[in-house]
Amino acid sequence: DAKTTQPPSMDCAEGRAANLPCNHSTISGNEYVYWYRQIHSQGPQYIIHGLKNNETNEMASLIITEDRKSSTLILPHATLRDTAVYYCTFQASGTYKYIFGTGTRLKVLA
Amino acid sequence: DAGITQSPRHKVTETGTPVTLRCHQTENHRYMYWYRQDPGHGLRLIHYSYGVKDTDKGEVSDGYSVSRSKTEDFLLTLESATSSQTSVYFCAISPGTGFGYTFGSGTRLTIV
Repeated sequence: DAKTTQPPSMDCAEGRAANLPCNHSTISGNEYVYWYRQIHSQGPQYIIHGLKNNETNEMASLIITEDRKSSTLILPHATLRDTAVYYCTFQASGTYKYIFGTGTRLKVLA
Repeated sequence: DAGITQSPRHKVTETGTPVTLRCHQTENHRYMYWYRQDPGHGLRLIHYSYGVKDTDKGEVSDGYSVSRSKTEDFLLTLESATSSQTSVYFCAISPGTGFGYTFGSGTRLTIV
């Protein structure tokens, strides 16, 4: 079954890099890994996605291991506004389903 | 979010009554999804659609039905609401693989 595993919570000092890990050992070779975040009770917001290579955009960087079984989302200079729940997900093989886990609650500390 | 709206935003209803939530998009995306979110459970997929009249079940589909008669609308119906269906419901849309979802703002549903 498609499943992701993330630590339930993490703290990060403001201005430091936040590194959020995700295990997705059941991912298939042609499925993307996606990351989202949810601030308070708002709808989740797309951050970044990747397949094999590392990716970077204006919000974050994504590092995917060579075997693709895990990835790390990096917020290079965390701010208080980055306090949120972060989810990684991928498409269950042979379906159009994206299964989310319980995510990581990141708290950025002043 | 731009391009996707959920209605109503809040609803309180009684046990045993039918309830329909609406998700409307203006992006012409093929894929639409309904998730529910409860404390301690993250986001759980209820049903999804991969085209007009094409739908399939998610993780927690019991007690829910969906319909998609046109590209822009995806309806979620609770046929006989129960207190366990009190939750926040999110709709999401996507053009396909390789693109992220866009989520709606959510519907907070309370069954009393």
